[in-house]
Amino acid sequence: SQQGEEDPQALSIQEGENATMNCSYKTSINNLQWYRQNSGRGLVHLILIRSNEREKHSGRLRVTLDTSKKSSSLLITASRAADTASYFCATDEGVQGAQKLVFGQGTRLTINP
Amino acid sequence: ETGVTQTPRHLVMGMTNKKSLKCEQHLGHNAMYWYKQSAKKPLELMFVYNFKEQTENNSVPSRFSPECPNSSHLFLHLHTLQPEDSALYLCASSSGRVGSYGYTFGSGTRLTVV
Repeated sequence: SQQGEEDPQALSIQEGENATMNCSYKTSINNLQWYRQNSGRGLVHLILIRSNEREKHSGRLRVTLDTSKKSSSLLITASRAADTASYFCATDEGVQGAQKLVFGQGTRLTINP
Repeated sequence: ETGVTQTPRHLVMGMTNKKSLKCEQHLGHNAMYWYKQSAKKPLELMFVYNFKEQTENNSVPSRFSPECPNSSHLFLHLHTLQPEDSALYLCASSSGRVGSYGYTFGSGTRLTVV
C-alpha cells in the first residue's frame, strides 16, 4: 500500500526558529493527518486536514495540503525544545467508510536550546 | 494516559515462547488496530478490527495471531517468533469512520525476541 514520504528525514534547528516538514503521497486520499512521537512512545494525533481543505491551523501548527501535487507540509512556528520528536504524516486510505491510516517514515526533529 | 492502555510495556521472550500483548480502550471507539514499528522503517499496519470483525490482515505471518473479543479489547498472541520480530508494537483505536478525528495510540509494547 502507498505511504506518505516525509522530507527531510532529519531536521535540526535552533529554538525559536520555524520548522517545516513535507509529506508526499501517491494516490487519492480522504484526509491527511500529522502525528508526533516522542522517543519509544506511542503516537499523538496533532491535526487532520480533509481533502477539500487547503490550509489548517492549530496553535503553533500550520498544515497545508495540495492535492494536485499530492503533498502536504507541517509548519511549527517559534519552536521549543519540547517540540523535539519524530513527526509522521498519515494518509487515510479507507474505503466504504472505514478508516485506514498508512504512515510515512517520519521526520526526526531536534530543537537545540 | 491517552485512553488506550497497552500491557506489558516491555517484553523479552525466547523464540519458543508463547506470549500475548493486550490492548484496552474505553473511548467508545469501534475500530482497533495493531501496528509494528521497527527501526528505520515506517509503521507497518498489521491488523484492523471494526466492530470486533477483522477487516484487514496485512500479510502478517501466522506466528502473530490477533483476537478481538469485544470492541474494547484487542490481543496479539505471539508464538515461535524470530529475532527480526523485535520491535515496538503499537495499538490504536478510532471511531473507524473515514474523516473522523484520528487515531488514539497506546504507549506500545517494546518486544525483544532472543
